[in-house]
Amino acid sequence: SQTIHQWPATLVQPVGSPLSLECTVEGTSNPNLYWYRQAAGRGLQLLFYSVGIGQISSEVPQNLSASRPQDRQFILSSKKLLLSDSGFYLCAWNNGVLDSGNTIYFGEGSWLTVV
Amino acid sequence: EDQVTQSPEALRLQEGESSSLNCSYTVSGLRGLFWYRQDPGKGPEFLFTLYSAGEEKEKERLKATLTKKESFLHITAPKPEDSATYLCAVQAIWGGKLTFGQGTILTVHP
Repeated sequence: SQTIHQWPATLVQPVGSPLSLECTVEGTSNPNLYWYRQAAGRGLQLLFYSVGIGQISSEVPQNLSASRPQDRQFILSSKKLLLSDSGFYLCAWNNGVLDSGNTIYFGEGSWLTVV
Repeated sequence: EDQVTQSPEALRLQEGESSSLNCSYTVSGLRGLFWYRQDPGKGPEFLFTLYSAGEEKEKERLKATLTKKESFLHITAPKPEDSATYLCAVQAIWGGKLTFGQGTILTVHP
């Protein structure tokens, strides 16, 4: 069966410091990968998605970037964090081509507090 | 632009008191409508996918239905462990991305 791992689970970072959140998926090949952000425990905003290694699409302009160095690895980064980057970050995956109707499954999330 | 609106924002029920959550959507072409359950501090957990108007799916005390404009999540005789945030999302035909509503926070009191 497929599993998704995301870490770290929580982190507190000072303003201006770098960020790296990592996500890996097991039990599948060539998944679509997603990074979402959830503010105040409510609706999810799509930040990035990837259909393959090195292929990243950004949904909103922001202080963050994403990379996919391996088929099942997705990384969310920032060079200098802002207070507004605080939130709950979720990695997700699904199978197939981007226009399929396959269900998207989420990781357990990473709580980021920028102080 | 795809839009999803969920109501109510919060719902408090007594144990055993059945009710429904609403998800209204606009999408140029619907590939699928998804329901997720999210516990505090956790990632969303998949519940159902509905693909066409008239479709219904059930899981324990939950039943999801779909029309051309909205979806309902019916909760029959809820228990305190059903307390969570319920999220609705739509997927357009020409994009695999999900557009989420703001969710409904359900609290079931014993």
